[in-house]
Amino acid sequence: GAGVSQSPRYKVAKRGQDVALRCDPISGHVSLFWYQQALGQGPEFLTYFQNEAQLDKSGLPSDRFFAERPEGSVSTLKIQRTQQEDSAVYLCASSPSFVSSYNEQFFGPGTRLTVL
Amino acid sequence: TQLLEQSPQFLSIQEGENLTVYCNSSSVFSSLQWYRQEPGEGPVLLVTVVTGGEVKKLKRLTFQFGDARKDSSLHITAAQPGDTGLYLCAGPFMDSWGKFQFGAGTQVVVTP
Repeated sequence: GAGVSQSPRYKVAKRGQDVALRCDPISGHVSLFWYQQALGQGPEFLTYFQNEAQLDKSGLPSDRFFAERPEGSVSTLKIQRTQQEDSAVYLCASSPSFVSSYNEQFFGPGTRLTVL
Repeated sequence: TQLLEQSPQFLSIQEGENLTVYCNSSSVFSSLQWYRQEPGEGPVLLVTVVTGGEVKKLKRLTFQFGDARKDSSLHITAAQPGDTGLYLCAGPFMDSWGKFQFGAGTQVVVTP
């Protein structure tokens, strides 16, 4: 595929379950970003990677959230012991260049997480 | 804290009308980006403005970056139903370029 893909597209979890959300960036893209988007709001930054290095994780809401990109390509966002307030759309974006002040980010369709 | 405030929150217009949406901050941004997001999809980049006072045109869309690089506007001429969507502005934090701040967005609905 030519674009960023995310899986699953929809995830329903019971409170307390662990979930893993996958992002397949555009091939060759150096930078990868994760965002959380609540209903009716703009995306909120979670973390970003440059190749396999996680350069900023200051947006992760708690230590229940963990992201990795071990080989500098596919990334996984893991949420442990999910809570209802974790319900949101999780967006992944990739960029062909190293991080700059005007990165063009290509977004995936998102994973809608609902925690019951 | 660098916050981006967008106004209005919601805009409903008839096809053929013009509209302007605004993105304002009390902080200086090195650049600002505008995205459009449709339901069930991720945002799609429309434009990046970098220089204070810069004006960029993309067909019927005109983007302006304020002289002080604290605000931006998006003007759509002769809106069409295909312009319907959530318009988001975003800019990088000064201390972490990869960390982008998004506004809450303006929902634009263009009816035939």
